[in-house]
Amino acid sequence: SQQGEEDPQALSIQEGENATMNCSYKTSINNLQWYRQNSGRGLVHLILIRSNEREKHSGRLRVTLDTSKKSSSLLITASRAADTASYFCATGYEFDDMRFGAGTRLTVKP
Amino acid sequence: DTEVTQTPKHLVMGMTNKKSLKCEQHMGHRAMYWYKQKAKKPPELMFVYSYEKLSINESVPSRFSPECPNSSLLNLHLHALQPEDSALYLCASGSGERGTQYFGPGTRLTVL
Repeated sequence: SQQGEEDPQALSIQEGENATMNCSYKTSINNLQWYRQNSGRGLVHLILIRSNEREKHSGRLRVTLDTSKKSSSLLITASRAADTASYFCATGYEFDDMRFGAGTRLTVKP
Repeated sequence: DTEVTQTPKHLVMGMTNKKSLKCEQHMGHRAMYWYKQKAKKPPELMFVYSYEKLSINESVPSRFSPECPNSSLLNLHLHALQPEDSALYLCASGSGERGTQYFGPGTRLTVL
């Protein structure tokens, strides 16, 4: 069953702008991950943030985690047309199972 | 080799057919997963194998039968499927313990 909720469901921006996506979840977690999926393809892991971390960076990606609010955000800076994809947060709590949020469909216009 | 491969890429089958989806990884991962994804929806976990043993079955109908012949291979046997089972079936592998999962490109299944 789905664990996280993401907003917005869809986001359309111009190339060069920043894109921010949010994820909320319901139960305690061990870590939270963000994945990207290009249309109809497999998912690609972007970044993992552990429950005792508050912020993490990877290239143009910045992820924050607020366990008190049970929420996380993914910021993509200086977006490119190639960033057009669906972005999912995924939370892990029980051993080996991972639940995905509903996802945000990002469109970056050239 | 950091790749998870899945075959076939596309599969069309009738409701009385028996077919199998295959997944392979050579990263030495001990955990392998099957997910089902409908259009514009997130992946839904179906099965988890840990050390070649089924550790999680998310109440999936028996017309889906997973098999893990060895630590590198994962199969999903399909029988008597329904049209609503049409979806993208994703395989993933990982070291387990809620860590990063590596996904294959998926098999696009259509049930007529």
